Amino acid sequence: KNEVEQSPQNLTAQEGEFITINCSYSVGISALHWLQQHPGGGIVSLFMLSSGKKKHGRLIATINIQEKHSSLHITASHPRDSAVYICAVSGNQFYFGTGTSLTVIP
Amino acid sequence: NAGVTQTPKFRILKIGQSMTLQCTQDMNHNYMYWYRQDPGMGLKLIYYSVGAGITDKGEVPNGYNVSRSTTEDFPLRLELAAPSQTSVYFCASWGVQLAGELFFGEGSRLTVL
Repeated sequence: KNEVEQSPQNLTAQEGEFITINCSYSVGISALHWLQQHPGGGIVSLFMLSSGKKKHGRLIATINIQEKHSSLHITASHPRDSAVYICAVSGNQFYFGTGTSLTVIP
Repeated sequence: NAGVTQTPKFRILKIGQSMTLQCTQDMNHNYMYWYRQDPGMGLKLIYYSVGAGITDKGEVPNGYNVSRSTTEDFPLRLELAAPSQTSVYFCASWGVQLAGELFFGEGSRLTVL
């Protein structure tokens, strides 16, 4: 069983749609990270959070520590949001989900 | 700009050859990591280091070696390359500085033929 589970694995949306990606974890953590990887590209950090909610532009990340669950929301999605979104948790070490591949169609 | 610099970006090796992937960070991070990413799979930890002079094995260390002589540098050595080592390799660093974000290098695409 993976320490970090993401859903869905693949997601296709129309431009403008509201998108939610979910992440559940089974280990104790000090923080949860949302990462973005464009096709053939590097990996960049979007959020690091240990409680509550954070917002950067059209992206919102929430975490519920008691339920060991986090969500990444994208409002008014755009084709440039097409990427793989990876959830990672950090405690004694980092554990990574396998990623959610998002395609936003114009 | 602060970050992780990883080289080379692409490399083709023949079976049995050796090479070193270089990784340097300028954020004074104590923690550094090497991951491999196979198509459709998540990141797998090869080796990590919690500070200069300290390294430890991750999930998939076989066929690799690392060293950490300075805080900045964390090279990954591939000895006797095998086709199973064809992958994309990412170096990452983390520290309590810069809001505890995890920083990645741009990746190194290695093909072993």
